[in-house]
Amino acid sequence: GQNIDQPTEMTATEGAIVQINCTYQTSGFNGLFWYQQHAGEAPTFLSYNVLDGLEEKGRFSSFLSRSKGYSYLLLKELQMKDSASYLCAVKRTYQLIWGAGTKLIIKP
Amino acid sequence: GAVVSQHPSWVICKSGTSVKIECRSLDFQATTMFWYRQFPKQSLMLMATSNEGSKATYEQGVEKDKFLINHASLTLSTLTVTSAHPEDSSFYICSARDLGDRGALNTEAFFGQGTRLTVV
Repeated sequence: GQNIDQPTEMTATEGAIVQINCTYQTSGFNGLFWYQQHAGEAPTFLSYNVLDGLEEKGRFSSFLSRSKGYSYLLLKELQMKDSASYLCAVKRTYQLIWGAGTKLIIKP
Repeated sequence: GAVVSQHPSWVICKSGTSVKIECRSLDFQATTMFWYRQFPKQSLMLMATSNEGSKATYEQGVEKDKFLINHASLTLSTLTVTSAHPEDSSFYICSARDLGDRGALNTEAFFGQGTRLTVV
């Protein structure tokens, strides 16, 4: 079966760092995506990992360990606009299998 | 990134009527488009995969006669919710991949803006 787990909700302070974890068990793996979704809007692409290691892109970084079925999204220097849901998704050939998303609440 | 336009962005309809949602890839060709449904505070649920020129592939539990999908061209797919009921009220999102990226593993999905459907 397919299983992707993320924490339901996290709270962090403006200017701080937060790490959102994602664990997965899927049949087939062609990469892992992170998307950001603001309430009432469509998801927007943040990052893609297919090889083990850390990918850094500005304030956001994403890490993947295929042997552990584990990824995390690291957000630095948090801003209020980062308040959103963060979705991890595993790609199988042409389909994406989605996690339930982590709602991130940023407090001043 | 590529642009996917979804229309309308929101619609309110009466129970029993049908609603059509359009998904267009504006600056690329997409042989495959995906239709998702998202209920409040839940993740995206894939409803069907729409392939240009052929019948859509529906996920288990999705009624193909209720959610009609047509993918008549490389830039347009439509989802029609027939005989809508209040329980069909949801956020519907389409996504598409660029034909030019076929075979590439890191092809991100480009999403439309989503359609908020409210059935009263």
